[in-house]
Amino acid sequence: DADVTQTPRNRITKTGKRIMLECSQTKGHDRMYWYRQDPGLGLRLIYYSFDVKDINKGEISDGYSVSRQAQAKFSLSLESAIPNQTALYFCATSGTGSESSYNEQFFGPGTRLTVL
Amino acid sequence: SQQGEEDPQALSIQEGENATMNCSYKTSINNLQWYRQNSGRGLVHLILIRSNEREKHSGRLRVTLDTSKKSSSLLITASRAADTASYFCATAGFNKFYFGSGTKLNVKP
Repeated sequence: DADVTQTPRNRITKTGKRIMLECSQTKGHDRMYWYRQDPGLGLRLIYYSFDVKDINKGEISDGYSVSRQAQAKFSLSLESAIPNQTALYFCATSGTGSESSYNEQFFGPGTRLTVL
Repeated sequence: SQQGEEDPQALSIQEGENATMNCSYKTSINNLQWYRQNSGRGLVHLILIRSNEREKHSGRLRVTLDTSKKSSSLLITASRAADTASYFCATAGFNKFYFGSGTKLNVKP
């Protein structure tokens, strides 16, 4: 079984709908991340969480919210989806490093979201 | 943007040749990491080099880091068709982690 799983893998929705993307991990990592990737571009960080009680905004958090339900679960919500949120979304985890350092990240397979 | 910039954006080589891709960044870092992404899939970590290291090897991969020039390079030796993928550098600073825009490598059999 994969260490980091994402559901759904593909989703097509309409403008204005609320969407939730889920991520689960079995690696026992405290740190979890949500990224989006647009065609031909690198990944941009949406939100990250260093433990269950810690949630931080990333580079592009507007229009998104997250919930860290447990150490192993981190979900991303689009409150009112819009077409420019069409992208590939990745969840990732990493082990605990120093506060100022990031360790190797382990990625899920991605969710392809299309907003019509 | 504080993201790293990779160069070249795309690279096409024959199997057996070496592939070199470069990453430049703007801010001070604690470490720099390289990842591979096969088309439409999740990223896979390749190698991490700390700011006090200058060179690191892992199998056919060689990474260098020049903090004075704020740049890094990834060398893949004796490339194989299976190395065809996009390669991203990621810079880790104080509570900051940024991915570059990637180099798309095509290795022709």
